[in-house]
Formats: sequence, structure tokens, C-alpha cells
Amino acid sequence: AAGVIQSPRHLIKEKRETATLKCYPIPRHDTVYWYQQGPGQDPQFLISFYEKMQSDKGSIPDRFSAQQFSDYHSELNMSSLELGDSALYFCASRFTGGDTIYFGEGSWLTVV
Amino acid sequence: AQSVAQPEDQVNVAEGNPLTVKCTYSVSGNPYLFWYVQYPNRGLQFLLKYITGDNLVKGSYGFEAEFNKSQTSFHLKKPSALVSDSALYFCAVRVDGNNRLAFGKGNQVVVIP
Repeated sequence: AAGVIQSPRHLIKEKRETATLKCYPIPRHDTVYWYQQGPGQDPQFLISFYEKMQSDKGSIPDRFSAQQFSDYHSELNMSSLELGDSALYFCASRFTGGDTIYFGEGSWLTVV
Repeated sequence: AQSVAQPEDQVNVAEGNPLTVKCTYSVSGNPYLFWYVQYPNRGLQFLLKYITGDNLVKGSYGFEAEFNKSQTSFHLKKPSALVSDSALYFCAVRVDGNNRLAFGKGNQVVVIP
């Protein structure tokens, strides 16, 4: 079965650079979520989109922005990167009317 | 606010013995509860969920969980642990109104051969 696809899987950036992560949800899933998991931490909710509109907002820094496109894929844009942004970033998707949120393999961001 | 707590940091169990990973919840209204597993350097894999119905929920890889309303618990169980079950296990609750998940701190399970 198709899963949530994230790219790139690994990314190394320097401080103050920008990074973009991409997410392709499971086919027919219309809701996308972004989570950040720091080393040894539980995943923290950043932001979600339903039908290309932001549906919920969590602890996403102002330096970060995200959007969902007409094909339902989503991109997380991170600017002015800081060392503390080094984390595993998960995208997840859900079909409206379903209860289960499915996660991708994550994108490892290392800021040096 | 909806939240879950996983009171233990690490659970050690011998291979073949029963495995239990504890989770308690705090919600207003009916809880939507989930268990996910994370293998090293991998994503979160869905194991099982409780929405409504039978208190005993069966999931993937031989795992099951028991919803206990009086104790506000949703413990994950497996009758006979395998070495390959060694991983990080997260309990999660759906936050009312917006469908996001709030996770517990996670439990590291170590199955000893």
C-alpha cells in the first residue's frame, strides 16, 4: 500500500540558511500534518492543512511556513535556520472521515 | 486539554515474556487513543487505535491494547515479546476539534534475548 512520501530524507544546512521539505500524502488523503521530533523527544505538532487551507497551528516558529498544493502535496519552508532546528520532521496524512493519521519516514534536518 | 502520560522511560523484558507498555490519558469527553511504534531512525508506524466499542483492541504485529475508562488507561500489550519488538513506543490522543495528535513522551522497549 502507498505510504506518505517525504523528501529529502536527509538534509544538512548551515545556520541562517533556508530549507524546504516536501511531503506527498497517501492518495485520496486530504489532510496533511507536520510534526517536529527533537533528539530524544516526542513529536510536536507544527501545522496542518485540509483541502489546501491551514486547519490548525501548533508550535511552529514564525521563521517556518507551509502550504498545501492543489495535488495535496505539502511543503514546509524553514528560513534563518538555527542549531535548535536540527530534528526529524514528520509529515502525516489522513482521509477525512477516517480516524487514523499515517506518518512518513521523516526528513532528518541537521543544522551546522 | 487532552493529554497522555507514559510513566516509564524504559521497559525491559525477556524474549518470550509478556510485554506491557503503560499509558494513561486525560481528556474531556470520549477519548480517541492510538499507539505508534518507532524503530531506530524510522518513521512512526501505526499499531492500533481505540475509538469506540470493545475495550480490547487488536492491532498489528500481535499487539493489543485494553481501554479502561475507570482507570483512564490504555496499556499496550503483547503476550510474547520478540527481540524485534525492541523500539520506541508512543501513546497518543486525538485533540478534540482539530484532529491533531498529542503524544506521550514515549517508552523505550528493550527485549532481551
